Amino acid sequence: QLQLQESGPGLVKPSETLSLTCTVSGGSISSSSYYWGWIRQPPGKGLEWIGSIYFSGSTYYNPSLKSRVTMSVDTSQNQFSLKLNSVTAADTGVYYCARQAAGTDYWGQGTLVTVSS
Amino acid sequence: EIVLTQSPGTLSLSPGERATLSCRASQSVSSNYLAWYQQKAGQAPRLLIYGASSRATGIPDRFSGSGSGTDFTLTISRLEPEDFAVYYCQQYGTSPLTFGGGTKVEIK
Repeated sequence: QLQLQESGPGLVKPSETLSLTCTVSGGSISSSSYYWGWIRQPPGKGLEWIGSIYFSGSTYYNPSLKSRVTMSVDTSQNQFSLKLNSVTAADTGVYYCARQAAGTDYWGQGTLVTVSS
Repeated sequence: EIVLTQSPGTLSLSPGERATLSCRASQSVSSNYLAWYQQKAGQAPRLLIYGASSRATGIPDRFSGSGSGTDFTLTISRLEPEDFAVYYCQQYGTSPLTFGGGTKVEIK
């Protein structure tokens, strides 16, 4: 059974960089059939797609966040990562990593990131 | 970007009743790449429907999806107690991927 697990700091100061890693187990991140993505959800609000990455390193980002987002993949560790710089309180929320195929079929449990000094 | 508008915002129904949720896109969804998700409080979303009408693995057949182009519907034929949750539609045919604002299905 495929599992995804987010890890990273739960508290980030304003103007700093949010960094999260997603570890994939029970399957290979190098499969040619899937993209791997990040999705976030502010408290009490809806879902927002941040971006996605292919095992080759090809990326595509939400234009609303593109100037602040970098995603990378480490196939040797079966992990992919998210960096979001210059964060503000508006970036507070639950961050999910997920597998994208026909729809987003596997999700991590999510990790709450709070931006506060 | 494709804007998805879900209606109604809240649906108040009783167990056993039929639920009909709507998702309207601001432009045609490429290849009908439209998915539906269920989310319960404190949990990650769960994929219910992909490709507008295909049920994901393990999803009960009381959930069905229909529609094409710009108008899509999720139907729950008979609500079970565990179906009361928030439902989101998502289009994944055109970047950026976008979600609707959600429909909350609550117990009447």
